[in-house]
Amino acid sequence: GAGVSQTPSNKVTEKGKYVELRCDPISGHTALYWYRQSLGQGPEFLIYFQGTGAADDSGLPNDRFFAVRPEGSVSTLKIQRTERGDSAVYLCASSLTGGIKDTQYFGPGTRLTVL
Amino acid sequence: GQNIDQPTEMTATEGAIVQINCTYQTSGFNGLFWYQQHAGEAPTFLSYNVLDGLEEKGRFSSFLSRSKGYSYLLLKELQMKDSASYLCAVSISGAGSYQLTFGKGTKLSVIP
Repeated sequence: GAGVSQTPSNKVTEKGKYVELRCDPISGHTALYWYRQSLGQGPEFLIYFQGTGAADDSGLPNDRFFAVRPEGSVSTLKIQRTERGDSAVYLCASSLTGGIKDTQYFGPGTRLTVL
Repeated sequence: GQNIDQPTEMTATEGAIVQINCTYQTSGFNGLFWYQQHAGEAPTFLSYNVLDGLEEKGRFSSFLSRSKGYSYLLLKELQMKDSASYLCAVSISGAGSYQLTFGKGTKLSVIP
């Protein structure tokens, strides 16, 4: 596609449930990032993929969060046993190579609400 | 830790010039990005500075002083569509990536 796409655009779930959020990066981009943006805050880094591997997962808040990118393109962010504090907009970004000067292009995000 | 400060809100008049400041204290620095984010939408790239000085791109300019840990985004000939949040982000070297660390954003309101 022309840009980064994310589905669903909105997700409402109940506390304790499992959710999956999907990101489809720009075609040909090897680098993929997940960020989380809470209301009134800037995006916070969660995890970075280079190809199929999670090269940097230092931003994941705890072991309830996990992400995969099995074929080096689409990525899924998985959250187990959701908590109300997980409510936020989850943004995905991709860049051509993940290099030092690479621009990250963001998707529209998935707004997650945990009731 | 990482600290990036920018004003929370600003208001400016259509046709005017506005300067949005950003100061940063980070462990490592690989460059500074500015993004624009309209409400409910994705951040979109505006500019990148890695060397000191001014980068101009149409109505938008961005300035960097690494020694002062300071940047600003200058918007000229303001239009109503420029009403948005402007995010300052520093690229730092993470455990295995070049992460972006963002400020909280400056909400700019352009009034007639």
